[in-house]
Amino acid sequence: EAGVVQSPRYKIIEKKQPVAFWCNPISGHNTLYWYRQNLGQGPELLIRYENEEAVDDSQLPKDRFSAERLKGVDSTLKIQPAELGDSAVYLCASRLDYLDTQYFGPGTRLTVL
Amino acid sequence: KQEVTQIPAALSVPEGENLVLNCSFTDSAIYNLQWFRQDPGKGLTSLLLIQSSQREQTSGRLNASLDKSSGRSTLYIAASQPGDSATYLCAVRVNTDKLIFGTGTRLQVFP
Repeated sequence: EAGVVQSPRYKIIEKKQPVAFWCNPISGHNTLYWYRQNLGQGPELLIRYENEEAVDDSQLPKDRFSAERLKGVDSTLKIQPAELGDSAVYLCASRLDYLDTQYFGPGTRLTVL
Repeated sequence: KQEVTQIPAALSVPEGENLVLNCSFTDSAIYNLQWFRQDPGKGLTSLLLIQSSQREQTSGRLNASLDKSSGRSTLYIAASQPGDSATYLCAVRVNTDKLIFGTGTRLQVFP
């Protein structure tokens, strides 16, 4: 069974440019998460989806970040415009049901110059 | 506000040693606690999950304990191997469905 797929794996952009990350969760997993992990820190939740509904986006900086999960499967996280402080690893995770653990993708490492 | 702390931040040991990683959390109202492993450039892999009603979980050479009342968990690794080298993250699950992570312990096991 394929795990959580993320692309791209690495992205280098200049500040003020837009950037988008894509996530394909494990098949059948209705819950999807986006996390940001700064260097030397643990991941922090940005947004959680139940199917196509964003049920927890309290940590998402809405002035520049947006996310969508069309048809309750794939998800895209966008930053526009990017700032230097956005450099981090962006992790996607999915979960089958409430008692299950979260399964993480390999992440996208973003560097903003 | 729930805060999770991990000690030590880094650890270097020779192969074969038994070792203990520590995790503490400030609010005992947790749903469960998990230990994850993170290899460089890769995502997180769940190692052990302890429900709030449980005291410990074991998987192979790994044993994790949970003391909710004192806000502590330990991950015990027996007979460490170079392949155990990674960052180990502790996370508590709170209220509906949110994981709060510690900053991790970076482990290096040398031959």
